[in-house]
Amino acid sequence: AQSVTQLDSQVPVFEEAPVELRCNYSSSVSVYLFWYVQYPNQGLQLLLKYLSGSTLVESINGFEAEFNKSQTSFHLRKPSVHISDTAEYFCAVSKSGGSNYKLTFGKGTLLTVNP
Amino acid sequence: DAMVIQNPRYQVTQFGKPVTLSCSQTLNHNVMYWYQQKSSQAPKLLFHYYDKDFNNEADTPDNFQSRRPNTSFCFLDIRSPGLGDAAMYLCATSRRQGGDEQFFGPGTRLTVL
Repeated sequence: AQSVTQLDSQVPVFEEAPVELRCNYSSSVSVYLFWYVQYPNQGLQLLLKYLSGSTLVESINGFEAEFNKSQTSFHLRKPSVHISDTAEYFCAVSKSGGSNYKLTFGKGTLLTVNP
Repeated sequence: DAMVIQNPRYQVTQFGKPVTLSCSQTLNHNVMYWYQQKSSQAPKLLFHYYDKDFNNEADTPDNFQSRRPNTSFCFLDIRSPGLGDAAMYLCATSRRQGGDEQFFGPGTRLTVL
């Protein structure tokens, strides 16, 4: 079975500051990794994902995450945040390959960007 | 726009009174999922459909049932809601299983009195 740990439940930062949201996972098999974002009163939206290939993946709005197999981590980073990035961020993992479907989510990190 | 729609957004029911939550999708995706998300907790998968094939998670209580009458619609039935069933219920879809992006609806917040 897989598990996901998001080490910080809340991260407050000032606008234009860099941010890192930490995610560690546990699995005995190869995995796919995801970051989802949930804005207030909305559903979860995929931010970025790692399936294979380059360990550094990027989103269209400036976030990036790096898959580190040795440290079993998939931390999310942004060099300069905006007020509009305020949201809850969920890290998730699934077994790779075949018809494996089940996403296991972390408890989420609430990112609050202050002016 | 193609999307996942959940109705109602807020549902209040009484202890023990059956309730049905609705999900519809215009994405024509094969797979539909129901998650339960309690406050400050991770979303937890209850079950999913791959086309008409129903897959129940081992730890999903018998109190929770689901129906998928066609590709577009999926329902979550809670036969006898308890206070512990108060949560946000999220519906999601994906084209196929295994690594595909899941598209989520806005959720239905269930209150049990």
